[in-house]
Amino acid sequence: GQSLEQPSEVTAVEGAIVQINCTYQTSGFYGLSWYQQHDGGAPTFLSYNALDGLEETGRFSSFLSRSDSYGYLLLQELQMKDSASYFCAVPEGSYGQNFVFGPGTRLSVLP
Amino acid sequence: DSGVTQTPKHLITATGQRVTLRCSPRSGDLSVYWYQQSLDQGLQFLIQYYNGEERAKGNILERFSAQQFPDLHSELNLSSLELGDSALYFCASSVGGSGNEQFFGPGTRLTVL
Repeated sequence: GQSLEQPSEVTAVEGAIVQINCTYQTSGFYGLSWYQQHDGGAPTFLSYNALDGLEETGRFSSFLSRSDSYGYLLLQELQMKDSASYFCAVPEGSYGQNFVFGPGTRLSVLP
Repeated sequence: DSGVTQTPKHLITATGQRVTLRCSPRSGDLSVYWYQQSLDQGLQFLIQYYNGEERAKGNILERFSAQQFPDLHSELNLSSLELGDSALYFCASSVGGSGNEQFFGPGTRLTVL
């Protein structure tokens, strides 16, 4: 079986830093991905972690701890346009054949 | 623009009917994935094709089927439609089959009346 948990909502102000956590329970582990989805839009790939540690891509960073079955997405210098839903996702199953998305975290950035 | 195209953008149909959704992957991508997104179920993986062959199957109903053609475009067929099938259907593509970095199309919004 598989399970991904994320906070349902996070609120922060422009310029701040916010961390969105994701915990997972999977029968196999093949990496953790993050996607952003604006209202009415399609998911957009943000980052992928296969190994422990921090991956940085501009204002966004993603962290993974396989021993803790935990990862997070860190958004710095928040902008209004970052208001969106953020999903963590894992391939799950005996050979990573089932793609599971978390329930999503709705980020609201306030002026 | 992800480079993935989906048609139609919107589809309204009646219960019991059959529809076909179409997807063209990014140039060079061999994998196509289909997802269903509804308010109560979130983003649900349906099926993956890689270079014309079915590679993985998720929570796809027996009433639903898909295929990938030699030119790598894919179609998702939904039959005997029910009210609960109303949702956004996304297609995504990736270069390889691992699916760790997927590029999503704009989606098809299906409304079943």
